[in-house]
Amino acid sequence: DAKTTQPPSMDCAEGRAANLPCNHSTISGNEYVYWYRQIHSQGPQYIIHGLKNNETNEMASLIITEDRKSSTLILPHATLRDTAVYYCIVRPYNQGGKLIFGQGTELSVKP
Amino acid sequence: DSGVTQTPKHLITATGQRVTLRCSPRSGDLSVYWYQQSLDQGLQFLIQYYNGEERAKGNILERFSAQQFPDLHSELNLSSLELGDSALYFCASNKGGAGQETQYFGPGTRLLVL
Repeated sequence: DAKTTQPPSMDCAEGRAANLPCNHSTISGNEYVYWYRQIHSQGPQYIIHGLKNNETNEMASLIITEDRKSSTLILPHATLRDTAVYYCIVRPYNQGGKLIFGQGTELSVKP
Repeated sequence: DSGVTQTPKHLITATGQRVTLRCSPRSGDLSVYWYQQSLDQGLQFLIQYYNGEERAKGNILERFSAQQFPDLHSELNLSSLELGDSALYFCASNKGGAGQETQYFGPGTRLLVL
């Protein structure tokens, strides 16, 4: 599985957009980018995933660069409840099995 | 609420003891995954079961074992416990077929070994 690099921590003001970057320069053509988050020792929560096109759902947007070597998770209007550790994971879509979690980015949303 | 349940929520025990953690997957899910989260190792995959059969194994110690029962619930057995086994243990589930990648995590069991 491709390795990802994320900043260890970020701050964001409440109501502003939170942009969380992820580098995955060794990503393969069949690997998707997944984002999960973990709020204060709760079970990780799926956010979004994508291959090469930008994706949006009710939680967030995912922007993947054209060369697919990096991506950005966007929380458009961060709230205090978005304070969490965000994990960027790269893996093939058509294989079941384990998720490999890195250290993630600890996002603090401040009032 | 992910639909995955885990019991107990908290467990305190002594070194050398044995404990069993239980996981009930979401309705309709055939695959169960176990993860361990300790302060120094982060979230690590332990083992996966699919419809009662072991499908994948990660960094699971020999002192640990798991099984999935016909009703699809799963149990993780930890024996000869050591201080370093203190951690959060998460169970996740999904349908387990090819492409069914989203894993839904339970609230976890916090194990403290004294």
